[in-house]
Amino acid sequence: KAGVTQTPRYLIKTRGQQVTLSCSPISGHRSVSWYQQTPGQGLQFLFEYFSETQRNKGNFPGRFSGRQFSNSRSEMNVSTLELGDSALYLCASSFQGDSGNTIYFGEGSWLTVV
Amino acid sequence: AQSVTQLDSQVPVFEEAPVELRCNYSSSVSVYLFWYVQYPNQGLQLLLKYLSGSTLVKGINGFEAEFNKSQTSFHLRKPSVHISDTAEYFCAVSVSSGSARQLTFGSGTQLTVLP
Repeated sequence: KAGVTQTPRYLIKTRGQQVTLSCSPISGHRSVSWYQQTPGQGLQFLFEYFSETQRNKGNFPGRFSGRQFSNSRSEMNVSTLELGDSALYLCASSFQGDSGNTIYFGEGSWLTVV
Repeated sequence: AQSVTQLDSQVPVFEEAPVELRCNYSSSVSVYLFWYVQYPNQGLQLLLKYLSGSTLVKGINGFEAEFNKSQTSFHLRKPSVHISDTAEYFCAVSVSSGSARQLTFGSGTQLTVLP
């Protein structure tokens, strides 16, 4: 079974631009969540989607947004990029009904803002 | 709200020696507990999880962890480490009730295995 797939793996953007990151969850998983990882702040929860609805949101500004499609694939968007948005963005998926809430992670998208 | 404290940011250990990575958590509700490992330039891989039942949990790669409710701890152990265990290790919690899937992570422990 294929794991969580994220694209692109690496990208460089300029301040003020916007970026869209894509995530394909494990087949059969309906919950997709996003995390930001930085050296200073560590791993922080961005948001979680289930059946195309945002179910939970972390403490990030409105420049960070996401969506989920009917096939459970998800995208996240960051508008008006700032230098501090440079980070590893991790997508994760889980299967609704898994009482253990096991969350499986992709390899991440490395975003550098210059 | 939940919080996770990993008491050691860096742990150097010689190959074949035992290791313990410490994790304490704080929560007003019941939680599930997890340990993840991150190798350089990779995502997170689940090592083990505690949901309920036996407080000693065995995971992949020879790791195990013990849940101690009174001390709100979930320390990770391995009796004999290998060079390939060099990585960053994250302890995490999630609320055990409700439908939301959200992990709260500790700041991580860099394990370096020395030859």
